[in-house]
Amino acid sequence: EPEVTQTPSHQVTQMGQEVILRCVPISNHLYFYWYRQILGQKVEFLVSFYNNEISEKSEIFDDQFSVERPDGSNFTLKIRSTKLEDSAMYFCASSDEEANVLTFGAGSRLTVL
Amino acid sequence: GDSVTQMEGPVTLSEEAFLTINCTYTATGYPSLFWYVQYPGEGLQLLLKATKADDKGSNKGFEATYRKETTSFHLEKGSVQVSDSAVYFCALIIMYSSASKIIFGSGTRLSIRP
Repeated sequence: EPEVTQTPSHQVTQMGQEVILRCVPISNHLYFYWYRQILGQKVEFLVSFYNNEISEKSEIFDDQFSVERPDGSNFTLKIRSTKLEDSAMYFCASSDEEANVLTFGAGSRLTVL
Repeated sequence: GDSVTQMEGPVTLSEEAFLTINCTYTATGYPSLFWYVQYPGEGLQLLLKATKADDKGSNKGFEATYRKETTSFHLEKGSVQVSDSAVYFCALIIMYSSASKIIFGSGTRLSIRP
């Protein structure tokens, strides 16, 4: 069964450092998403991406965050200068042209020290 | 705004017990509704879905019926197993012209005792 893959599975970084989380969505999917889950809390929407541009973003997705699809297969989330409160599990998801079911990756756990 | 409310956890049951996890939603229009499951150390997996009123989603012995009149989508299973121990998230999807967005409930942790 096709799946969304994410790397790294766990990253530890120092506050203020840049972090890039990578995702390979399902190959024929058109819509891409990032969500995050702070430990023990709700899964929160960050951003959606379609046709090489951001289609929707939440208040959490401020200027420190960016997304891109550099090579037509990878979908990346960059955090420019990490803060302690960025520590969370980050989930990538993708959906097909109907956009009514999202398939999630296993997540990338980010720990900011 | 659109939101999902589900029962607080943790829920602890004995094996073979009957399970209900309540979920209600607030939404404009008629969203599709989902239950996602997160097993320990893993990502979010789609458990079941329903796309319109009175639809019943089912998978792995779990069921949920889309009730428009009560804006609910309660998850049920007749006889739980230890392997069902996980966090369960109720969710709805909002469709936009250029994407969609899932809104999750806060999650309910389920623990099953042997």
